[in-house]
Amino acid sequence: DTGVSQDPRHKITKRGQNVTFRCDPISEHNRLYWYRQTLGQGPEFLTYFQNEAQLEKSRLLSDRFSAERPKGSFSTLEIQRTEQGDSAMYLCASSLAGPPKQFFGPGTRLTVL
Amino acid sequence: GESVGLHLPTLSVQEGDNSIINCAYSNSASDYFIWYKQESGKGPQFIIDIRSNMDKRQGQRVTVLLNKTVKHLSLQIAATQPGDSAVYFCAEDDSSGTYKYIFGTGTRLKVLA
Repeated sequence: DTGVSQDPRHKITKRGQNVTFRCDPISEHNRLYWYRQTLGQGPEFLTYFQNEAQLEKSRLLSDRFSAERPKGSFSTLEIQRTEQGDSAMYLCASSLAGPPKQFFGPGTRLTVL
Repeated sequence: GESVGLHLPTLSVQEGDNSIINCAYSNSASDYFIWYKQESGKGPQFIIDIRSNMDKRQGQRVTVLLNKTVKHLSLQIAATQPGDSAVYFCAEDDSSGTYKYIFGTGTRLKVLA
């Protein structure tokens, strides 16, 4: 399978704990996006990387959130001091620089108790 | 698995009939539009895309129509099958150059046998 992969698929944590998610994009894709999706809504943009550079962050991304893409390949999204409002599906997508078509991974479902 | 879109508009169609799913977008400067299908517990799956310089684009059993005058997109699915049951989202690029997507409110498609 050469699609976008995400790990873990599900994460249950207690409020106040830190969590980290990983995304492996399609190998030749240099653009990588993180989105968040809550029940009944479409995905909302969080942040965007071109290669290893984080070029844009949404206002949704509070200072408790940090994302990295150290070698321009896989990316991690960390949430510190999780809150119940962080419970959502976190989706990763990747694309080539030219055609803007984004391919999504299966998502990581986070539940904060 | 997770249920996406508990309170979404729902379109019910008989198996074999054609489906039309509508979407209004907000940004008249958007250059690119895309439709995704999302099944419960999964990430969005690409269906078809269209650039703003086109009015219509056809794929396999699917057609996207773009009306820029009224900022309206539609997705037509021919000969709808049970496997088409899912939540459908349209998305537009935000015209900033990063091609981050702004997703519309999804529509749940139910195919009746």
